[in-house]
Amino acid sequence: AQSVAQPEDQVNVAEGNPLTVKCTYSVSGNPYLFWYVQYPNRGLQFLLKYITGDNLVKGSYGFEAEFNKSQTSFHLKKPSALVSDSALYFCAVRDTIKAAGNKLTFGGGTRVLVKP
Amino acid sequence: GAVVSQHPSRVICKSGTSVKIECRSLDFQATTMFWYRQFPKQSLMLMATSNEGSKATYEQGVEKDKFLINHASLTLSTLTVTSAHPEDSSFYICSARGLAGVRNEQFFGPGTRLTVL
Repeated sequence: AQSVAQPEDQVNVAEGNPLTVKCTYSVSGNPYLFWYVQYPNRGLQFLLKYITGDNLVKGSYGFEAEFNKSQTSFHLKKPSALVSDSALYFCAVRDTIKAAGNKLTFGGGTRVLVKP
Repeated sequence: GAVVSQHPSRVICKSGTSVKIECRSLDFQATTMFWYRQFPKQSLMLMATSNEGSKATYEQGVEKDKFLINHASLTLSTLTVTSAHPEDSSFYICSARGLAGVRNEQFFGPGTRLTVL
């Protein structure tokens, strides 16, 4: 079964500092990996995805993530955080094997708080 | 980009009533739609997957008679919470996925906050 772990419930960072949100995954086949951001009482907004190809993926709002197959990780990064980046971030994985049913599985979420 | 809408965004109802939530893909055809439930400060839990024109597939532990899902067209899916009770209060989010041409990406609606009194 596929699973996603986000080991940190909350990440605090000062504005202008680098931001990293960690994610590790487990799948049987090859993974499709996604990051989403959620603001209060809103749905999920897509940030970026890894399907195949270059391990470094660049997404919206200056975010990027690096797919590391050996470490089964897909950490989200931003070189210089903004106060407006404060939100709830979800990592998600879809296993590509047929038995997985094409479902997205979400991590528990990491709350990011960027302080001015 | 692809847009998914949900209606209503917020609903308050009395215990015992039924509530219908609509999910629409506005600019693409959604062959598959997903319904998620999110409790405060928790992750999204998949409730069911529906394919246009066929019955929904429910996740383990989700009562299909309680949460009725209809996916009658390629742009509309509905979730009906029947005989709602306070424990059904939650944030419900739908998601839609189009044909392989949109790279199998899921697009999420803005969510519906259901409060059952």
